[in-house]
Amino acid sequence: DADVTQTPRNRITKTGKRIMLECSQTKGHDRMYWYRQDPGLGLRLIYYSFDVKDINKGEISDGYSVSRQAQAKFSLSLESAIPNQTALYFCATSDTYYQRTEQFFGPGTRLTVL
Amino acid sequence: AQSVTQLGSHVSVSEGALVLLRCNYSSSVPPYLFWYVQYPNQGLQLLLKYTSAATLVKGINGFEAEFKKSETSFHLTKPSAHMSDAAEYFCAVTNPTNAGGTSYGKLTFGQGTILTVHP
Repeated sequence: DADVTQTPRNRITKTGKRIMLECSQTKGHDRMYWYRQDPGLGLRLIYYSFDVKDINKGEISDGYSVSRQAQAKFSLSLESAIPNQTALYFCATSDTYYQRTEQFFGPGTRLTVL
Repeated sequence: AQSVTQLGSHVSVSEGALVLLRCNYSSSVPPYLFWYVQYPNQGLQLLLKYTSAATLVKGINGFEAEFKKSETSFHLTKPSAHMSDAAEYFCAVTNPTNAGGTSYGKLTFGQGTILTVHP
């Protein structure tokens, strides 16, 4: 079974709609992250959470919000989707233990906003 | 602040040839460095990481990278390319967990390099 899962895997929606992307993990990690990937731009951090009560904006948080419902669940919402939010979205997790700073990624959600 | 630059958005090699993917970083403190690979329609998978131990790091699938502080580089190499190596590769940097600061624990990614392997 996958350690980091994302739902849905693909979503097509219309401008102005509210969308929620969900991420769950079974790795027992306390840190979770949301990134978006655009061709030629690599991955950019949207939001990150170091524990359930610690949520922080990343470099491109405008137009997005998040909710950390539990240690294992971290959701990303687009309150009113717009076409330039069309991208591949990744959730990731990591452990706070010293030096274990690598992140583990989910399979991604491909979002298209028409 | 930290940043990563990957030189060359596309690299093409023949099967059996040397693979060299370039990564240069900028960091205000000694960094941790990572290479991730993304196969088509998949998430990112860790290839290897440098965390201040040996400067030559060996990873999965025959890849290795060398941390060169004087050149602020962490280039990825593989002696002999295989068709299955075709993918997109990302270099990333973070500050160690004991360094503090606003970039504590966060990864900054390069733009990615798409590797094509020809028969």
